[in-house]
Amino acid sequence: AQTVTQSQPEMSVQEAETVTLSCTYDTSESDYYLFWYKQPPSRQMILVIRQEAYKQQNATENRFSVNFQKAAKSFSLKISDSQLGDAAMYFCAMDSNYQLIWGAGTKLIIKP
Amino acid sequence: SAVISQKPSRDICQRGTSLTIQCQVDSQVTMMFWYRQQPGQSLTLIATANQGSEATYESGFVIDKFPISRPNLTFSTLTVSNMSPEDSSIYLCSVEGPDLGYTFGSGTRLTVV
Repeated sequence: AQTVTQSQPEMSVQEAETVTLSCTYDTSESDYYLFWYKQPPSRQMILVIRQEAYKQQNATENRFSVNFQKAAKSFSLKISDSQLGDAAMYFCAMDSNYQLIWGAGTKLIIKP
Repeated sequence: SAVISQKPSRDICQRGTSLTIQCQVDSQVTMMFWYRQQPGQSLTLIATANQGSEATYESGFVIDKFPISRPNLTFSTLTVSNMSPEDSSIYLCSVEGPDLGYTFGSGTRLTVV
């Protein structure tokens, strides 16, 4: 069975500092996609960053970057220069054959 | 990426009644997905809606409880039927975008009393 695991229910970081959210997954597929989504209190699900499994290079979007370790099946999200607006639930998800498998989520708290 | 309009944004309903949630997409999409997000939890896929065919339901979800319509490539509805307090959740629709990401509606917060 395909699974996505987020082992950190909650993380906190000081504003302007860097935080890393962990995600591990399990799949027997060779071709898949990985995503990080952000869900603020407004409940809108927002795509933060995506990674194609066949690409070696780690994806980067402005202050957001991933550390993709395919052999270890690890897909962590690094947020640099944390801002108050980054406070939200963060979900890791894996797409295989048009089915998204979701992690349990990590609540990120930003301390001013 | 696609823009999704989801209605209603929230509702409070009496048990035993039904609520229909609508999702309108600003472009044609092949597959639309309906999710449930129970309080404090992650997303659970209810069903995948394809135009011109019956929706494909995930384990634990049945058509009688969650009938779905998909009359064209830009619109879908999910009905939550014969509601009970256990159906209180956020319901989200989603489509696959052309950029290998999924776009979500703004969600419907349903409270059943």
